[in-house]
Amino acid sequence: DAGVTQSPTHLIKTRGQQVTLRCSPKSGHDTVSWYQQALGQGPQFIFQYYEEEERQRGNFPDRFSGHQFPNYSSELNVNALLLGDSALYLCASSRARDSPLHFGNGTRLTVT
Amino acid sequence: AQRVTQPEKLLSVFKGAPVELKCNYSYSGSPELFWYVQYSRQRLQLLLRHISRESIKGFTADLNKGETSFHLKKPFAQEEDSAMYYCALSGNNYGQNFVFGPGTRLSVLP
Repeated sequence: DAGVTQSPTHLIKTRGQQVTLRCSPKSGHDTVSWYQQALGQGPQFIFQYYEEEERQRGNFPDRFSGHQFPNYSSELNVNALLLGDSALYLCASSRARDSPLHFGNGTRLTVT
Repeated sequence: AQRVTQPEKLLSVFKGAPVELKCNYSYSGSPELFWYVQYSRQRLQLLLRHISRESIKGFTADLNKGETSFHLKKPFAQEEDSAMYYCALSGNNYGQNFVFGPGTRLSVLP
């Protein structure tokens, strides 16, 4: 079991560009959540997907959007990148109605 | 609003000494509380959850609803316990939204 896998591992973008991050959940999991972790801080909840729909959303602007596919994998899209979007983006999966979260290794996004 | 605080950014103890990592929370309902740990160069992983009432790697944590705390304790720290520890809260509703604290870095000195 590969666990939660994320791609790419590192990414460098310029302000104003758009980025897509990808996540495959742990086998048997159908719920995917995305978190942003800035340097020196705990993970901040962005949103959660279940049955291909956004179920909950944290305090992030509409520039952050996502998608879940029928195979439960998920994408996080960020438009009009700002310098402040530089962070580690974590994907976590879980069984619906059953915690806890299983995390991937994250994607390190740097916006210049 | 859900909030988790961890007052210590860094905690250093000597091997064999007791360790307590503090966690306080605010939540209006009945939360689920968790401790996650991140060892060097590894992914964030679950250490324990309060409803399990387990002892994992010698660590225990008791939920104190009166004090809204969920402190993590271990009687004798080991060097391999050195890691980043995050306390997290989940509202007990479908579609769980986890709120994490800022984390405490535990350094166990030889």
